[in-house]
Formats: sequence, C-alpha cells, structure tokens
Amino acid sequence: ETGVTQSPTHLIKTRGQQVTLRCSSQSGHNTVSWYQQALGQGPQFIFQYYREEENGRGNFPPRFSGLQFPNYSSELNVNALELDDSALYLCASSADRGRQEAFFGQGTRLTVV
Amino acid sequence: AQSVTQPDIHITVSEGASLELRCNYSYGATPYLFWYVQSPGQGLQLLLKYFSGDTLVQGIKGFEAEFKRSQSSFNLRKPSVHWSDAAEYFCAVGARSGYSTLTFGKGTMLLVSP
Repeated sequence: ETGVTQSPTHLIKTRGQQVTLRCSSQSGHNTVSWYQQALGQGPQFIFQYYREEENGRGNFPPRFSGLQFPNYSSELNVNALELDDSALYLCASSADRGRQEAFFGQGTRLTVV
Repeated sequence: AQSVTQPDIHITVSEGASLELRCNYSYGATPYLFWYVQSPGQGLQLLLKYFSGDTLVQGIKGFEAEFKRSQSSFNLRKPSVHWSDAAEYFCAVGARSGYSTLTFGKGTMLLVSP
C-alpha cells in the first residue's frame, strides 16, 4: 500500500507567478484535502476534493484552486503569488469524505521571493 | 466554529522523564480528536485518535491520550520520553458532521534534554 506522495518537495517562485503542486493519494482513498502550514503555525484547511469535485473550502481566496483526477490524485494551483503564500503545503488523503482519519504527505515547501 | 488551543509553545523534558502535552478544544458536541507529530521539514504522522468509547486511547510509539469531556481536553502523555521524541506535536479536532476536515492547534515543540 503506497502512502501519500507530494511533488515537488521544494519550490521557489517570484511574487506574481503561478504555481502548481501535486499530490498522489494513498491507495484506495477517494478524498484529498489540502492544508497550508505557515512557519510556526498549525496547518490550515484550504479545500477538499471528493470524487473530482470540491467538497468544502476554508477561508482562502479564489486564487487558490484545485483539481482532482479520476485516479484521485490532486493538484493545488495558486495564482498571483504573494510573499505570505510562503509555507509548507500539505496534502492529506482519507478513505471517504466522511472518514476523519487523514494520512498526510511530506509536504511541499513553497518560498515566494 | 471549532477551535483548538495548545497552551504550551515549547516544552523541555529530560530523557526518561514523563511527558504531558495539553490540548483544549471548543466544539458544540463531542468531536473526533487527534494527535499528530511532525519532525522538522516533514509531514504529519498520526499518533492516535479518539472517535468514541474508551476515553483513554493508546497510540504508536508508547503515547496515550485521555479525552475528558468535562474539561474539553485531550492531553497527550508518555511515561518515559526518548531523545527521538523531540518534534512538534499538533492536536486536532474533526467535526462529526459535514466533510472530514481537521482544525489544528498551533503546536507544541518538544525538546528533550540529555
């Protein structure tokens, strides 16, 4: 059984650019959630995808968007990057949208300069 | 809205000593409760979870936590800390209805002294 994998592990972007982060969910899991973890903070919920549709969203602006593919892998896209977007982005998968137990990937460290 | 408070930002414990990390939550009913551990630059690893039943739950690496409804607490404990336990620990709550997202506390950094 494969775990949650994220790519890339590190990324440096310039303010105003766009970025795409990728996540492969754990085998058998159909729900993917994305979290942003700023330095010294706990993770904050961005949004969740269930069977290719957005299933819930946290308090993040529309320039944060996502996709889920038929194999349940997912992308997080951020447009018009701001310095405050610098953070560790975590992907978590769960067996179903009602299942609370989430398994996290190692994260993507995004630095915006 | 649900929230989680971890009152201790840093805790230093001597190797071999006991450990208790505090977690208080705010939620309208009994939530799902979790403890995760994060090593530097890494993702989150689930230590243990409480869904229902016995209020004392056992987790991996010798950790346990006790759910106390009257105190809205879910404190994490370990009888004897090892140097490899040094990491950041996050308490999280999940709602029993709606979609399965987690609300995290700000974390407690555990330092282990020789």
